[in-house]
Amino acid sequence: DADVTQTPRNRITKTGKRIMLECSQTKGHDRMYWYRQDPGLGLRLIYYSFDVKDINKGEISDGYSVSRQAQAKFSLSLESAIPNQTALYFCATESEGRLTGELFFGEGSRLTVL
Amino acid sequence: SQKIEQNSEALNIQEGKTATLTCNYTNYSPAYLQWYRQDPGRGPVFLLLIRENEKEKRKERLKVTFDTTLKQSLFHITASQPADSATYLCALASDSNYQLIWGAGTKLIIKP
Repeated sequence: DADVTQTPRNRITKTGKRIMLECSQTKGHDRMYWYRQDPGLGLRLIYYSFDVKDINKGEISDGYSVSRQAQAKFSLSLESAIPNQTALYFCATESEGRLTGELFFGEGSRLTVL
Repeated sequence: SQKIEQNSEALNIQEGKTATLTCNYTNYSPAYLQWYRQDPGRGPVFLLLIRENEKEKRKERLKVTFDTTLKQSLFHITASQPADSATYLCALASDSNYQLIWGAGTKLIIKP
């Protein structure tokens, strides 16, 4: 089983719909991140959380919200999806110890907003 | 403004040769830089980290250099194999907040 699991892997929705992308991890890491990836652009940080009670906005948080339900679960919501939110979304985890700063990524959730 | 740039054109290399990828940055004071590999439809996978006070790091056939004067990191794969074909991403953590800023990646194609 994957250490970082994202659901759904693919989703097609319509403008104005509410969408939730879910991420769960078995690595026991405190830090979790949501990124989006668009062709020709680097990964951009949407939100991050360093523990269950900590939520922080990233570079492009407008139009998104998150919930850290438990150490292992971090969900990303699009309250009213719009076409320019069509992208590949990645959840990632990181150990609190910053010996390596290594991020562990899920397989991605491809979202298409029509 | 802060930028991190990788060559957007795919790099075609003959099997067995050394592949060299470049990551340039501007207006950052880096704490460390990371390289990741990404295969189509998959999440990035961590390869190497190099800190700002390190010149070179090696792992098996991989070598990373970091020149803070030139503001550049080079990523080398020696004795390249078709299985090395993938997109390689660099990511830089500034010493102000340690959040990673990502390059768009370079696609590497190793031809048999």
